[in-house]
Amino acid sequence: AQSVTQLGSHVSVSEGALVLLRCNYSSSVPPYLFWYVQYPNQGLQLLLKYTSAATLVKGINGFEAEFKKSETSFHLTKPSAHMSDAAEYFCAVSEGGSQGNLIFGKGTKLSVKP
Amino acid sequence: GAVVSQHPSWVICKSGTSVKIECRSLDFQATTMFWYRQFPKQSLMLMATSNEGSKATYEQGVEKDKFLINHASLTLSTLTVTSAHPEDSSFYICSAGDRGRHQPQHFGDGTRLSIL
Repeated sequence: AQSVTQLGSHVSVSEGALVLLRCNYSSSVPPYLFWYVQYPNQGLQLLLKYTSAATLVKGINGFEAEFKKSETSFHLTKPSAHMSDAAEYFCAVSEGGSQGNLIFGKGTKLSVKP
Repeated sequence: GAVVSQHPSWVICKSGTSVKIECRSLDFQATTMFWYRQFPKQSLMLMATSNEGSKATYEQGVEKDKFLINHASLTLSTLTVTSAHPEDSSFYICSAGDRGRHQPQHFGDGTRLSIL
């Protein structure tokens, strides 16, 4: 069975600092992995996805994530945090390809201090 | 890019009433739509998967008679919460898949349901 673990329910960084949100997955088959961002009272917006191509994936808004099979990780990073990055971030895994059912992690709330 | 429209965005109603939530794919044909429920400060839990023209597949623990899902066309799926009670209050989010373009699911903006 597939699962996702996001370490840290709340991460706080200063504006301009590095953002690192951790995600570890469990999957019996090569996974498809996703990062989504959710702003208050809104749906989810896709930041980036890994679909077995390049292990370093670049997404929108300056975010990127690296797939490390040996560590079963897919951590999300951004070199310099912006105030507008404050939101809830969800890591998700699918064993059914990009269209398959998504299993979400519990989410990490990112706060950005001025 | 692909857009999924969810309506209404917020609804408040009395206990015992039924509430219908619509999910529309605006610029692509959604052969599959997913319905999620999100409790405050928690993750999304998949409720059911609906395929156009067939019955929805419900996740374990989700009452199919309580949460009626209809996917009558390639651009519209509806979730009806029947005889809603306060414990049904939650944030409901739909997503739609565009198999033709092999793109990830696109999410609606969610519906905040409050049952008094």
